[in-house]
Amino acid sequence: DAGVIQSPRHEVTEMGQEVTLRCKPISGHDYLFWYRQTMMRGLELLIYFNNNVPIDDSGMPEDRFSAKMPNASFSTLKIQPSEPRDSAVYFCASSFYAYNEQFFGPGTRLTVL
Amino acid sequence: GENVEQHPSTLSVQEGDSAVIKCTYSDSASNYFPWYKQELGKRPQLIIDIRSNVGEKKDQRIAVTLNKTAKHFSLHITETQPEDSAVYFCAATPIQGAQKLVFGQGTRLTINP
Repeated sequence: DAGVIQSPRHEVTEMGQEVTLRCKPISGHDYLFWYRQTMMRGLELLIYFNNNVPIDDSGMPEDRFSAKMPNASFSTLKIQPSEPRDSAVYFCASSFYAYNEQFFGPGTRLTVL
Repeated sequence: GENVEQHPSTLSVQEGDSAVIKCTYSDSASNYFPWYKQELGKRPQLIIDIRSNVGEKKDQRIAVTLNKTAKHFSLHITETQPEDSAVYFCAATPIQGAQKLVFGQGTRLTINP
C-alpha cells in the first residue's frame, strides 16, 4: 500500500478563497482523522470518521471548516472562506481500528495570505 | 476533557547519553498511550505505545513506563544517536470508547555529537 495520500502538498491562497484538502486513507482502515499542526497550538484533532461517518467534530474551529467522507477511500476538508490564521500544516491519518497506530499522510502546508 | 501535559519542551543531550520525556494525563479512564516521533518537515510516526494493563514496554533502545496511579507515563531513549533528534509527542485517549487521541505539546530533542 502507498500509505495515506494527501493532496495538494502545498497550497498558497488569498484570504477569502475556498480551500479544499484531500485525503485517501490506507485501504481497509476504518478510522480517518484530520489534524492541524501549528507552532502555537501543536497537533490538534479537528474531526474523525468511523466507517465514513463523522464521530466527533468538536475540534473543528468554526463553521468555516467542513469535512466529508463520501466513501471509504476519500475524504475532504474544506475551508470557506479562508483566513490568514488558518495557515498551518494539515495532516490526515488513518487507523485499522480504535486504540491502534494511526498512520499519518505527508501533510498539506496551507498558507493564507 | 482530557488534558495531556508534556515536559520538557526542549531537551538537549550528548550522543550516547539517555533522554527521558514525561507526560501527565487527566482522565483516569484513559487506556492507550502512544508516542510519536516527528522529524523536521516530516509526518508523525508511531515509535512505541503502551496500554493501561501494562506497566512497561521496551523496544531496543526505546522504553515506555506507565504509572496509572499517578497518571503519568514516560519515554526513555538510551544510547542516543544523532538520528534520534526530532520532536516527540505523547498522546492519550480521553475517555474509554472515544477512539481519539489528545496529544501533548511535544518535546524537541537534540542529540549533540
